[in-house]
Amino acid sequence: QVQLQESGPGLLKPSETLSLTCTVSGGSISSYYWSWIRQPPGKGLEWIGYIFYTGSTNYNPSLKSRVTMSVDTYNNQFSLKVTSVTAADTAVYYCARHPSATGAGFDPWGQGILVTVSS
Amino acid sequence: DIQMTQSPSSLSASVGDRVTITCRASQSISSSLNWYQQKPGKAPNLLIYGASSLQSGVPSRFSGGGSGTYFTLTISSLHPEDFATYYCQQSYSLPHTFGQGTRLDIK
Repeated sequence: QVQLQESGPGLLKPSETLSLTCTVSGGSISSYYWSWIRQPPGKGLEWIGYIFYTGSTNYNPSLKSRVTMSVDTYNNQFSLKVTSVTAADTAVYYCARHPSATGAGFDPWGQGILVTVSS
Repeated sequence: DIQMTQSPSSLSASVGDRVTITCRASQSISSSLNWYQQKPGKAPNLLIYGASSLQSGVPSRFSGGGSGTYFTLTISSLHPEDFATYYCQQSYSLPHTFGQGTRLDIK
């Protein structure tokens, strides 16, 4: 059974860069799409973008100028970077798998990691 | 971007009740609609994909319907563990977008 686990710093200062890693266990990162999704406290879900195991990416236009994703197939990991964070980037960040770029749901999800941006 | 609108935003119901949550898309998304259940402090869990297909392991009391711009999630008889927040999500085109959520509370 595939499991995902997010890791990274939980507290950042404004203008810093958010860096998170999602480790995939119980299955290969190959042949799937891997997304990052975030949820501000008490609010709804926002898709940040995806990376395919080949390294191909697609980002939400709302964040595109600040987001970079990368994949490490050797270690079965993929990563998210968001530059110039502000308090508006405070959220629980989830990683999730999907079998195609469009037309499919996200399953499974990681447990999520809370990232707080505060001076 | 395709906007997803759920109704109601919140709902109170009792164990054993039948409830229906609706989701409307701002343009046609064919059947590319997914439903998730989220409990406090937990990640969302995929219930329904492709508008009406039940994800493996999800109880049969959950069902989905609709196509185009109008979709429904129905729980035929509420169990105590069903009280949670439900989200729809369109996977028809990028960027993927979610509804604002429907909170289902115990009456």
